[in-house]
Amino acid sequence: GDSVTQMEGPVTLSEEAFLTINCTYTATGYPSLFWYVQYPGEGLQLLLKATKADDKGSNKGFEATYRKETTSFHLEKGSVQVSDSAVYFCALSNQAGTALIFGKGTTLSVSS
Amino acid sequence: DAGVTQSPTHLIKTRGQQVTLRCSPKSGHDTVSWYQQALGQGPQFIFQYYEEEERQRGNFPDRFSGHQFPNYSSELNVNALLLGDSALYLCASSLSGTVNYGYTFGSGTRLTVV
Repeated sequence: GDSVTQMEGPVTLSEEAFLTINCTYTATGYPSLFWYVQYPGEGLQLLLKATKADDKGSNKGFEATYRKETTSFHLEKGSVQVSDSAVYFCALSNQAGTALIFGKGTTLSVSS
Repeated sequence: DAGVTQSPTHLIKTRGQQVTLRCSPKSGHDTVSWYQQALGQGPQFIFQYYEEEERQRGNFPDRFSGHQFPNYSSELNVNALLLGDSALYLCASSLSGTVNYGYTFGSGTRLTVV
């Protein structure tokens, strides 16, 4: 079945460092791809999305490009802040486009 | 504009008991989906309710059931609780069930089974 694989964390960075969190997927059809963020004690917030191949999603300095040829959707940010510390989830839509399939999440910790 | 509201925020139950969790969707949304997030894991889809019917279901046993009311709010019921049911239960609302636009999560209900 469809699935998402994320790099395992935790990822520990200093403020202003470059961030990459790897995400690859297995899917039939052409899913939409998402990155969600979860701050401590909170629910999930959509960070960015891409609905077709070669689309780039971006938000708050984060970017990810839908690469069909490598089945990847890696999350990047040029300069992280302490406030970016959270758990990041990569997800794809199911074939009907009515549910999300999540990876296990990657914890990011940024220190000043 | 209120987002997705879930209640209660936390609860503790004993093995074998039954529990009901509640979700009010974001204004203008007509579909509610439920997810289970075990500690250290990503959320897993339980089921989706649209027009007061279960439209889609994930790989969860029949102990998990739900309901949607005419005002689009929803309940998740879990019978015969097991220790393994301890998790954060998330509700997501949307318009017509699509994940591509406006899919909004609540803050969740933390269920602990002892």
